Amino acid sequence: LAKTTQPISMDSYEGQEVNITCSHNNIATNDYITWYQQFPSQGPRFIIQGYKTKVTNEVASLFIPADRKSSTLSLPRVSLSDTAVYYCLVGYVTGFQKLVFGTGTRLLVSP
Amino acid sequence: ETGVTQTPRHLVMGMTNKKSLKCEQHLGHNAMYWYKQSAKKPLELMFVYNFKEQTENNSVPSRFSPECPNSSHLFLHLHTLQPEDSALYLCASSQPTTGRGYQPQHFGDGTRLSIL
Repeated sequence: LAKTTQPISMDSYEGQEVNITCSHNNIATNDYITWYQQFPSQGPRFIIQGYKTKVTNEVASLFIPADRKSSTLSLPRVSLSDTAVYYCLVGYVTGFQKLVFGTGTRLLVSP
Repeated sequence: ETGVTQTPRHLVMGMTNKKSLKCEQHLGHNAMYWYKQSAKKPLELMFVYNFKEQTENNSVPSRFSPECPNSSHLFLHLHTLQPEDSALYLCASSQPTTGRGYQPQHFGDGTRLSIL
């Protein structure tokens, strides 16, 4: 599975847009990009997944440039409850997946 | 509510004790997973079961023994653990991802294990 690099931590304020970038220089042709969110003392929760260009759902957007060597998770107008660790994963999404988590990005949202 | 329930939520045990962690999923999935999450470290995949058959063992010490009696239940039997085994143990389940779309893993909220 492709290695990913994310910032260790980020700070933001309520109501701001937060963009978390993940680098995955050795992404393979068949690899997808997936983001999970984890709150303290809870398991990770799936946020969004994409292959190229832009994907949007009710909670986030995922921007993937043409070379796919990086991706950006965008959280619009964050609230205190968005304080969590965000993981970027890259891999071939087929069958039963063996997810490989990195250290993630710890996002702290302040009032 | 994720559809994946883990019990107990907290467990304290001595190094000579034997205990079991339980995971139950109500999502109709066919794969179940055990992960270990230590402080300041990424989640580590331990075991994978597909249709009740173990398909992955990531060099986990034999003091951890998984059991999957059916597709809805997964156990992790513990014995003679070490202090470094103290961690959050997470269970997850999933369906296979096919051309019909991505099927994410659903995680329980874990068992916080402390070894004295």
